[in-house]
Amino acid sequence: DSGVTQTPKHLITATGQRVTLRCSPRSGDLSVYWYQQSLDQGLQFLIQYYNGEERAKGNILERFSAQQFPDLHSELNLSSLELGDSALYFCASSVAGERTEAFFGQGTRLTVV
Amino acid sequence: EDQVTQSPEALRLQEGESSSLNCSYTVSGLRGLFWYRQDPGKGPEFLFTLYSAGEEKEKERLKATLTKKESFLHITAPKPEDSATYLCAVQANFGNEKLTFGTGTRLTIIP
Repeated sequence: DSGVTQTPKHLITATGQRVTLRCSPRSGDLSVYWYQQSLDQGLQFLIQYYNGEERAKGNILERFSAQQFPDLHSELNLSSLELGDSALYFCASSVAGERTEAFFGQGTRLTVV
Repeated sequence: EDQVTQSPEALRLQEGESSSLNCSYTVSGLRGLFWYRQDPGKGPEFLFTLYSAGEEKEKERLKATLTKKESFLHITAPKPEDSATYLCAVQANFGNEKLTFGTGTRLTIIP
């Protein structure tokens, strides 16, 4: 158990809908990262938050957004869903600074039908 | 742009047959190179971090090494429970702490 909790584990929704994925980081970790993993691609970095502020953006679509709350949990919002958004979405957390290992949650499997 | 290439894509070994997985990388100043293990449908599990060329780290049957251009994950006398996808990732020295991942090596150990 990495200490990173993601909910829900599975999500099935229709095209055009909006969903919210939730992540609770490890105790003491200030950074939260979101990654997307689809069958034909490896883990793709979406976005990073550090202590409530957006720190870095990767290849995140405009239909996707995220935020980190004062209690450090994070949510990834996916809207106007398309079939191609079906993937595993992972959250990871780390302590910023010298120890930079990121620890991953078990993921949310999103299926868009 | 940071890039990570892993080879081979897939590797089948007999139990006890040692081998190595390769990770070649291009990064604008390396802060760290990371190895993760991922089981099907699960999140990546952290294994090692390497920071500078010449560094080595070991854990049970796994040993990771680092040069200026590549890293190797050596697996000695593997067991069926070592079957998984092994992912390599790099973190650049400048800017944010994002990880750039390779596509992994799918390792299967046959009893």
